[in-house]
Amino acid sequence: DSGVTQTPKHLITATGQRVTLRCSPRSGDLSVYWYQQSLDQGLQFLIHYYNGEERAKGNILERFSAQQFPDLHSELNLSSLELGDSALYFCASSLGGGGTEAFFGQGTRLTVV
Amino acid sequence: GQQLNQSPQSMFIQEGEDVSMNCTSSSIFNTWLWYKQEPGEGPVLLIALYKAGELTSNGRLTAQFGITRKDSFLNISASIPSDVGIYFCAGQPIQGAQKLVFGQGTRLTINP
Repeated sequence: DSGVTQTPKHLITATGQRVTLRCSPRSGDLSVYWYQQSLDQGLQFLIHYYNGEERAKGNILERFSAQQFPDLHSELNLSSLELGDSALYFCASSLGGGGTEAFFGQGTRLTVV
Repeated sequence: GQQLNQSPQSMFIQEGEDVSMNCTSSSIFNTWLWYKQEPGEGPVLLIALYKAGELTSNGRLTAQFGITRKDSFLNISASIPSDVGIYFCAGQPIQGAQKLVFGQGTRLTINP
């Protein structure tokens, strides 16, 4: 158990819909990272928050957004969903903001039908 | 953007054999990490490397940060059935240091 909690574990939704994925980092960690894992793209960095502020953005679509709340949990919002958005979405956390030694949650498997 | 070339893509070995996999890049990385992912789980950090030339072990696992800072390898000695999974290398680039760039993974299958 990495200490990073993601909910829900599975999500099935229709195209055009909007979903919210939630992440609780390890106790004491200030950084939260979101990654997308699909079969053909591997693990792709989406976005990084440190202590409530956005620190870095990867190839995150405009239809996707995220935020980190004062209690340090984070949410990833995916809207106008398309079939190609089906993937595993992972949250990772780390103590500092350097991106290393990040601990991953179990992921949310999103299926868009 | 930065890319990591991880090889081999898959390995089929007998229990007890040693395993070797590597990652290369055209870019320099500050840090190299090796993760293992099992079905239904998130990646688990195995080894972190922070200096060029660094050689680090974690039980039967040994990893090295290449001298050129553009490559890393992971060795597993005397493989056992629980070593099955997908192994990912990840690098922290010099530019965009807030993220990790991942390799495509090496799927390890072990025949008992």
